[in-house]
Amino acid sequence: QQQVKQSPQSLIVQKGGISIINCAYENTAFDYFPWYQQFPGKGPALLIAIRPDVSEKKEGRFTISFNKSAKQFSLHIMDSQPGDSATYFCAASGGATNKLIFGTGTLLAVQP
Amino acid sequence: NAGVTQTPKFQVLKTGQSMTLQCAQDMNHEYMSWYRQDPGMGLRLIHYSVGAGITDQGEVPNGYNVSRSTTEDFPLRLLSAAPSQTSVYFCASRTGRGNYGYTFGSGTRLTVV
Repeated sequence: QQQVKQSPQSLIVQKGGISIINCAYENTAFDYFPWYQQFPGKGPALLIAIRPDVSEKKEGRFTISFNKSAKQFSLHIMDSQPGDSATYFCAASGGATNKLIFGTGTLLAVQP
Repeated sequence: NAGVTQTPKFQVLKTGQSMTLQCAQDMNHEYMSWYRQDPGMGLRLIHYSVGAGITDQGEVPNGYNVSRSTTEDFPLRLLSAAPSQTSVYFCASRTGRGNYGYTFGSGTRLTVV
């Protein structure tokens, strides 16, 4: 059972465009929703994170939108650049165990 | 600070062999976790620990053992390697207070033949 569902599996965006990646979760005990960025041959790195008491968080060109009632959250990358080409993972944690559970990842390619 | 250090970076095992993947962190983090990464499957939690002497199972614990005798180290043991355990393994750690961001190691690529 996939606790965190992520889509799309892959995404191609033109330079300067907006990249949007979506995630949905089931466990209402989750209270922390991070996004990680991974380049080939490297470990994932924390990009941006949100808690359910806010509906949006922005850091530079990266924005998380959070919809608590729908149990969905998304990552928006504005003015996408070729250097943003990477795999992006959403994740969620919370509840008694606080395990961090990941989505299946989105491979983003930004074409120049 | 070295962060999270994983060794070895690459390993080839024969089916049935055992081995230990090493993970060490120098940030005095209470929480440590092991993940495996497979194409199309994302990162799946194998085992995790919230402090020395405390471990618990994740999503895919079968075939793996862990122990946490010190805050710094969290080794992952493969008891009898199987081809299904061919994967990239990541160790991660974070503080137990407030900040929930995990720091990941650079990974161990394991092939079981």
